[in-house]
Amino acid sequence: AQRVTQPEKLLSVFKGAPVELKCNYSYSGSPELFWYVQYSRQRLQLLLRHISRESIKGFTADLNKGETSFHLKKPFAQEEDSAMYYCALRKTYNTDKLIFGTGTRLQVFP
Amino acid sequence: EPEVTQTPSHQVTQMGQEVILRCVPISNHLYFYWYRQILGQKVEFLVSFYNNEISEKSEIFDDQFSVERPDGSNFTLKIRSTKLEDSAMYFCASSQRTGRGYEQYFGPGTRLTVT
Repeated sequence: AQRVTQPEKLLSVFKGAPVELKCNYSYSGSPELFWYVQYSRQRLQLLLRHISRESIKGFTADLNKGETSFHLKKPFAQEEDSAMYYCALRKTYNTDKLIFGTGTRLQVFP
Repeated sequence: EPEVTQTPSHQVTQMGQEVILRCVPISNHLYFYWYRQILGQKVEFLVSFYNNEISEKSEIFDDQFSVERPDGSNFTLKIRSTKLEDSAMYFCASSQRTGRGYEQYFGPGTRLTVT
């Protein structure tokens, strides 16, 4: 069965420090991977998708099929990055559902 | 920018009661979804809906659940006889199309508390 694993429930860093939120997946096919972010009291919103290969708010994520990972990185964290981050997978045929990881709470201290 | 809206934001109900959660998807979207998140757990897919039919449902989505698009704007999730374990945050989402590259836009959620 498909699964998304985010091993860290909480990641705390100081402002200006690098950040890496880990995401691993299990799926034998070719998935579509996403990072969603949920700021305090706000809705889930798409941050990144692997097919776009773009940087949003300084965040990047690279799909590594060999390691089945899609880690989210930012070189210099900002206080406004504090939020819940969810990695999600979508199979590329027969279904449209998103499979989420359990999420990582990022706390950026001043 | 258009957004998915959900009402109510918080619903408290007694076990065994019926509840209807309401969603207004983005107006030109054709695909609709419900997800739920039990406190402390992951966001889980419940059901997808297109062209007035369920296109996919999870094992969670049993006979106690139903979805409907009663008019051109609303998309509802009904739980016929609520159980304590139905307490969760319920998210509605919509998408213009399906397939690679199409994003699901989420609503703010309805917190359902079953007592």
